[in-house]
Amino acid sequence: DTGVSQNPRHKITKRGQNVTFRCDPISEHNRLYWYRQTLGQGPEFLTYFQNEAQLEKSRLLSDRFSAERPKGSFSTLEIQRTEQGDSAMYLCASNRNTEAFFGQGTRLTVV
Amino acid sequence: GEDVEQSLFLSVREGDSSVINCTYTDSSSTYLYWYKQEPGAGLQLLTYIFSNMDMKQDQRLTVLLNKKDKHLSLRIADTQTGDSAIYFCAESPPTDKLIFGTGTRLQVFP
Repeated sequence: DTGVSQNPRHKITKRGQNVTFRCDPISEHNRLYWYRQTLGQGPEFLTYFQNEAQLEKSRLLSDRFSAERPKGSFSTLEIQRTEQGDSAMYLCASNRNTEAFFGQGTRLTVV
Repeated sequence: GEDVEQSLFLSVREGDSSVINCTYTDSSSTYLYWYKQEPGAGLQLLTYIFSNMDMKQDQRLTVLLNKKDKHLSLRIADTQTGDSAIYFCAESPPTDKLIFGTGTRLQVFP
């Protein structure tokens, strides 16, 4: 088991462009979470899936953000019409019981 | 409300003990966690405690939980330079997501 994998590790995009990130959770983990972390802050919850069902979305998740987990395995997070305020580290985590394991994150820079 | 607070910085000498403190607000949290984050990296789960326990020890790490005061602490014995990182506490309310504090930057000097 290689742990939670996120791609890409870094993404630089121009304002207004769309970006998509991918997360591959630990196999057989049925819960998958997305968090956002800005400089000097702790991670903030964005959304979570149990299998393929999206069960909760934070108010931070504006209508420009969409997340999917179509087959209950990997997940994608898409940001449309990126803004400079979207620059952050996007972290994915998965768990099966009590322990949530995090990926290395995707660092997004919007210029 | 959901709010987790930590002091921002802690500086200790190598070999001393470090104590990182955290207060949380959601008394219904079932588990409380400590994560470590090194520069440019994701979060590494260090340890966690069930809310009906008041202490948990795991090698150099000791977690103390005062549920009445909603206070959590992490003690690192014999702190090493490799322990330098940001430490986050997190609570887990019944909604299953994690609520993180702002993190405590631990600096260990020789």
